[in-house]
Amino acid sequence: DTEVTQTPKHLVMGMTNKKSLKCEQHMGHRAMYWYKQKAKKPPELMFVYSYEKLSINESVPSRFSPECPNSSLLNLHLHALQPEDSALYLCASSPQGTRVGYTFGSGTRLTVV
Amino acid sequence: SQQGEEDPQALSIQEGENATMNCSYKTSINNLQWYRQNSGRGLVHLILIRSNEREKHSGRLRVTLDTSKKSSSLLITASRAADTASYFCATGDDKIIFGKGTRLHILP
Repeated sequence: DTEVTQTPKHLVMGMTNKKSLKCEQHMGHRAMYWYKQKAKKPPELMFVYSYEKLSINESVPSRFSPECPNSSLLNLHLHALQPEDSALYLCASSPQGTRVGYTFGSGTRLTVV
Repeated sequence: SQQGEEDPQALSIQEGENATMNCSYKTSINNLQWYRQNSGRGLVHLILIRSNEREKHSGRLRVTLDTSKKSSSLLITASRAADTASYFCATGDDKIIFGKGTRLHILP
């Protein structure tokens, strides 16, 4: 299995809702990442997990809460989001940081209404 | 903050022609990567070039790196319609940061 699987592919949520994005990989990669991408912009790093521990938080608002339950799973819990949080959320993994390329999932397109 | 800046921002060429995209970065690097993104979906890793390498090939892709000028180029030879996508360079150690990207459109 050489893929990163993200679910759901599309999500519409209200500003008072709580939802979660899920990311799964079975390549044995020990680094996992969340990126946010707005239209016609590059992906922006949100969080880095290394060996299931949060190693980098790019000053992301607390309404985004990451979780790494095990080495194969990465979740992003969403609560009280704003319409400007609407974006494509991308998960990626890599075996050992940046010395090799990242494997990206196809993303979750989130719309906050 | 973004490390890389791609040039041009957008490029349209005829199918069969070669496409060249450039990336400039600001600080010293250990490696530089190029990614492709189709239609706003997931990114695909194309190639990684290390700081001690000057050129690398993968199929129709050729990447060069000039650390003295802090720049890299991606050449796609004999372009195809399927090459229509956005291309990003990326640099970093504990994390990779993407440049603004080049939107490539291959005309039939």
